[in-house]
Amino acid sequence: DTGVSQNPRHKITKRGQNVTFRCDPISEHNRLYWYRQTLGQGPEFLTYFQNEAQLEKSRLLSDRFSAERPKGSFSTLEIQRTEQGDSAMYLCASSSATGFYEQYFGPGTRLTVT
Amino acid sequence: DQQVKQNSPSLSVQEGRISILNCDYTNSMFDYFLWYKKYPAEGPTFLISISSIKDKNEDGRFTVFLNKSAKHLSLHIVPSQPGDSAVYFCAARYTGNQFYFGTGTSLTVIP
Repeated sequence: DTGVSQNPRHKITKRGQNVTFRCDPISEHNRLYWYRQTLGQGPEFLTYFQNEAQLEKSRLLSDRFSAERPKGSFSTLEIQRTEQGDSAMYLCASSSATGFYEQYFGPGTRLTVT
Repeated sequence: DQQVKQNSPSLSVQEGRISILNCDYTNSMFDYFLWYKKYPAEGPTFLISISSIKDKNEDGRFTVFLNKSAKHLSLHIVPSQPGDSAVYFCAARYTGNQFYFGTGTSLTVIP
């Protein structure tokens, strides 16, 4: 399977705990995006990497959120001191620098904060 | 602030007829628009896109129309098939590769 993969698929955590999600993009894609989606809403942009450089970050993104892409391949998204409002689907997408901006999405990680 | 809006949460169409999904945006700096389809428990799947310098793009049964003066785009599916039943999102690209998505329209194609 050469699509975008995300792990874990589901995560239940208690408020105040830290969580980390992983995204493995399509291997030849150098652009990687993180989104958050809540019920009834479309994906909300969180951050964007080109290779290992984080080039864009939503101004709405709390400083409890951090993302890395250390070698320009897989990426991690960490949420510190989780809150109930962080409960959402976290989507990762990748795209090619030579494409027309179409993104290929993973299945998402569903986070539930209790 | 919702910069990309899909005002119809749902749409039902008979198989074989045309499905028209609409999307409005507010930011004239958007330079690229995309449509995605989403099935339950899956991530969105890219369907079709259009640059802001064009007014139409066609790919098989799918056609996207862009009206820049009205800040409006639409997706036409002809003929509609039951397998097209899904949630459709429009998205717009802002400079720097930030993408804004609408809230989605759930399409049901009735056999």
